[in-house]
Amino acid sequence: NAGVMQNPRHLVRRRGQEARLRCSPMKGHSHVYWYRQLPEEGLKFMVYLQKENIIDESGMPKERFSAEFPKEGPSILRIQQVVRGDSAAYFCASSPHPDMNTEAFFGQGTRLTVV
Amino acid sequence: GQQVMQIPQYQHVQEGEDFTTYCNSSTTLSNIQWYKQRPGGHPVFLIQLVKSGEVKKQKRLTFQFGEAKKNSSLHITATQTTDVGTYFCAAIKAAGNKLTFGGGTRVLVKP
Repeated sequence: NAGVMQNPRHLVRRRGQEARLRCSPMKGHSHVYWYRQLPEEGLKFMVYLQKENIIDESGMPKERFSAEFPKEGPSILRIQQVVRGDSAAYFCASSPHPDMNTEAFFGQGTRLTVV
Repeated sequence: GQQVMQIPQYQHVQEGEDFTTYCNSSTTLSNIQWYKQRPGGHPVFLIQLVKSGEVKKQKRLTFQFGEAKKNSSLHITATQTTDVGTYFCAAIKAAGNKLTFGGGTRVLVKP
């Protein structure tokens, strides 16, 4: 049973470009969470999705950021018109149950660098 | 919003010594989880505490949940170089739906 798969592991984008980060949850997990981690900091919640639904996006910036978890395929975190401040590690976690009341499994992360 | 505070931010430990990291919340928590993140790695689940006053042990690690369910601690005895990394507590507020992470304690071990 493969773990949470994120790709790419490293992504370099120029300012103004778009970044697409992908997350395939563990098999059987229908709850996906995205977190952002700046260097030397903790993980900041961004968004919680179930299949085809956004449950909680209270941590998502209002502009340029969007997330989806389609019926088929991975969850996508999309950042439009990236700026230097978007440089961070983005982690996806999945859980078999809602509300993260059980162990959350994290992917290896995507490290985004905006140049 | 819910705040989860973790202290200390950094912990330099001599190999063989003990240390404790603390996690505090301003609100009552449904449960608390602890994760370890090695440098350059991703968070890995260590344990979950649910009950008031609960104490759990994993070899040299002892986890405790406060009686009021607002704080927790992780105590490591006889620190080893393999303990290097950042330890995060993560909490779900009562009736909440997501983990809120503390800022982490970055542990460096001096051989």
